[in-house]
Amino acid sequence: GNSVTQMEGPVTLSEEAFLTINCTYTATGYPSLFWYVQYPGEGLQLLLKATKADDKGSNKGFEATYRKETTSFHLEKGSVQVSDSAVYFCANRASGGYNKLIFGAGTRLAVHP
Amino acid sequence: EAGVTQSPTHLIKTRGQQATLRCSPISGHTSVYWYQQALGLGLQFLLWYDEGEERNRGNFPPRFSGRQFPNYSSELNVNALELEDSALYLCASSGGLAGGQFNEQFFGPGTRLTVL
Repeated sequence: GNSVTQMEGPVTLSEEAFLTINCTYTATGYPSLFWYVQYPGEGLQLLLKATKADDKGSNKGFEATYRKETTSFHLEKGSVQVSDSAVYFCANRASGGYNKLIFGAGTRLAVHP
Repeated sequence: EAGVTQSPTHLIKTRGQQATLRCSPISGHTSVYWYQQALGLGLQFLLWYDEGEERNRGNFPPRFSGRQFPNYSSELNVNALELEDSALYLCASSGGLAGGQFNEQFFGPGTRLTVL
């Protein structure tokens, strides 16, 4: 079945530092891949997505590229802000028409001024 | 446009009791999903409803059940509560199967269930 593995946190960075959060997946077929963000006390928000190999999703300065050869979808941002502090979840959408999302364990990011 | 809403925000129950959680999807969405976010276990898929039918179920015991009403809102029922059911329960909605494609899931703020 599908699964997602992402790097454990917490990740602690200074403002304007470069961010990478690693995510790898296993899947049958060609899943869609997602990054969701959960700010303190809130639900999940879709940050970006990619639906096929070599697609790059981007939003709010965050980027991730769907790498089929390495089964990866690493999240990057060139210059983080304090407001980016949150928990980030990598997910894939199960194949077979069931539309359920399979999430990684989440990575907590803390950005300090 | 109103987002996905869930009620109650917090729910405290004791072992053996039943809990009922409610979700209202975004207007126009016919699919509703339930996920459990338990400490140390991450986010796990529970149930998917579309057009009033249960379409898929995660690896949870039968005491986790739900339904979807004609207005597409949904209830999640957890019977015979156990301590390990304590978690944040997230509901999401999306366009449904009738649209011919699987759409983005929009999440609500969740219901925090505490079992004592």
